Amino acid sequence: QLLQESGPGLVKPSETLSLTCTLSGGSISSSSYYWGWIRQPPGRGLEWIGSIFHSGRTYYKSSLRSRVTISVDTSKNQYSLRLSSVTAADTAVYYCARDRPAAGMRWFDPWGQGTLVTVSS
Amino acid sequence: DIQMTQSPSSLSASVGDRVTITCRAGQNLSNYLNWYQQKPGKAPVLLIFGASTLQSGVPSRLSGSGSGTDFTLTISSLQPEDFATYYCQQSYSAPWTFGQGTKVEIK
Repeated sequence: QLLQESGPGLVKPSETLSLTCTLSGGSISSSSYYWGWIRQPPGRGLEWIGSIFHSGRTYYKSSLRSRVTISVDTSKNQYSLRLSSVTAADTAVYYCARDRPAAGMRWFDPWGQGTLVTVSS
Repeated sequence: DIQMTQSPSSLSASVGDRVTITCRAGQNLSNYLNWYQQKPGKAPVLLIFGASTLQSGVPSRLSGSGSGTDFTLTISSLQPEDFATYYCQQSYSAPWTFGQGTKVEIK
């Protein structure tokens, strides 16, 4: 399975960041997986943003919950991230990744290649 | 949120060296701990899940151990392709959190 992020690389402050992740080689409707978004500010570590199940059930990082929406479009085999009211602190490489549950555990594999989103006027 | 602390933050080593990276969790994780490798400009790659289970295709010179709050990633004989940054990640309790990373550099 391959994941590919797409979306604008530049977003203005206070506007909404929108990214899409397209899955190839599999079905996003699979009952075995969640689908996640993770970001990495330049030169820094990884931060989980949230995940979605094909049913639409979502899990968000609490500190981002008020600004984040993750949705799924099973007809297009895609899922999307919207992050509102962005600031420079939201500048990061955004990754989509399969969020796999097994025996109560969860891990991210595989990952998309990532897309850099810069917040600047 | 569960705090994950890796040590060291960086290390220099030579090809053939044995390298150990430590990850400490702010609370008991049982074995709900994963390790990833990230090379510059690339996405992270899953190495180990469940603290000690190697992902398919990962060379056996890498190993993971630990449970509870203390975990280690060991590379038994460092190879040129192992120079990268390594991250631990807990999946015991959402939000899933990562360590700050350990950069393995060439001495």
